[in-house]
Amino acid sequence: NAGVTQTPKFQVLKTGQSMTLQCAQDMNHEYMSWYRQDPGMGLRLIHYSVGAGITDQGEVPNGYNVSRSTTEDFPLRLLSAAPSQTSVYFCASSWTGHTEAFFGQGTRLTVV
Amino acid sequence: QQQVKQSPQSLIVQKGGISIINCAYENTAFDYFPWYQQFPGKGPALLIAIRPDVSEKKEGRFTISFNKSAKQFSLHIMDSQPGDSATYFCAASPGGGADGLTFGKGTHLIIQP
Repeated sequence: NAGVTQTPKFQVLKTGQSMTLQCAQDMNHEYMSWYRQDPGMGLRLIHYSVGAGITDQGEVPNGYNVSRSTTEDFPLRLLSAAPSQTSVYFCASSWTGHTEAFFGQGTRLTVV
Repeated sequence: QQQVKQSPQSLIVQKGGISIINCAYENTAFDYFPWYQQFPGKGPALLIAIRPDVSEKKEGRFTISFNKSAKQFSLHIMDSQPGDSATYFCAASPGGGADGLTFGKGTHLIIQP
């Protein structure tokens, strides 16, 4: 089983560019979420989804957009990249918010 | 406002010793408390989790102690091994589980051989 797959693993963007971070899971989980990890800050929730067609904002949603058209995929879009969005991004999936969350390997994003 | 406070930020323990990491929370709606382990370059992985209806949960060398009245919970790693060297995060989620996990800032644990 692949689990949670994130692409790309590394990305460098120029300020103002847009891009989509991809996340796919093959465990048929209803719950998916995006976190960003910054040094000394832990993981902070950006957006989450409790099922296809349903998304909601987390702690730090500004500058990011999500959609959930299928159970398997949960892409994260950066609308206009800013240096403050330089971070490591993790996608996670689980049966519910109260069960084991499986994380992808992360995407290291640098905005210059 | 940080809803889950984790300490210490870093910890060095001798091989065979006990590693203790503490977390405190403020939101009384939290009712699921997992601990995640993360190695460099990898995503976090669930280590052990507890719900507030029990005061302690043990899995192998890992134990969570939970104090509902004090709104605190801790991770104890017994007989710590060099392979336990990693970053540990406590987290919490409110009832219903629909609102995602709130993480502490992490503890960088080093086990010296």
